[in-house]
Amino acid sequence: KNQVEQSPQSLIILEGKNCTLQCNYTVSPFSNLRWYKQDTGRGPVSLTIMTFSENTKSNGRYTATLDADTKQSSLHITASQLSDSASYICVAGGSGTYKYIFGTGTRLKVLA
Amino acid sequence: GAGVSQSPRYKVAKRGQDVALRCDPISGHVSLFWYQQALGQGPEFLTYFQNEAQLDKSGLPSDRFFAERPEGSVSTLKIQRTQQEDSAVYLCASSPPGGFLRAQYFGPGTRLLVL
Repeated sequence: KNQVEQSPQSLIILEGKNCTLQCNYTVSPFSNLRWYKQDTGRGPVSLTIMTFSENTKSNGRYTATLDADTKQSSLHITASQLSDSASYICVAGGSGTYKYIFGTGTRLKVLA
Repeated sequence: GAGVSQSPRYKVAKRGQDVALRCDPISGHVSLFWYQQALGQGPEFLTYFQNEAQLDKSGLPSDRFFAERPEGSVSTLKIQRTQQEDSAVYLCASSPPGGFLRAQYFGPGTRLLVL
């Protein structure tokens, strides 16, 4: 069964600290891995998109990594800011399909 | 520039009522998706349009759910005889042409509460 699992479910960090969110997926055949940021009451916003042949992609203070062999991805946030408080959703896409599989998200809270 | 817009933002319906949710995608985006997001969960696929053609409706939970995009732009998701389990956020997303690796742009969602 195609699925995406994220950990931790929730995380609290102090402003300025770094953190790493994890994602494991079982989607076959696999094509691409996406990370989204979803603020409360808003729609998800794309952070990164990686194909199976890419290992890392950055978007400002966000850096995503992908290991297609172990079917794992991570999202690293550097020098966190209060505005980083949101849910971060990992999404796996299968080859030749638009049916993306969404994880349940990691809820991040950044405290001053 | 204008993003994906959805209306209404909030909808309260009595059980048994029909509701219609509207999505205005980004101009020029040929792909349009509807998702259902329960509280604390990730979005779940409902249906997919390419222009005006509904290519996949396999995620629609029941025959009470119906979606259309008659002119290949605005889309409407209709839920007939609403039930309490239909309460959720309904997200619309659009993508530009160029295949399935293009980014999805999400609207803010419609939060539906069925009493």
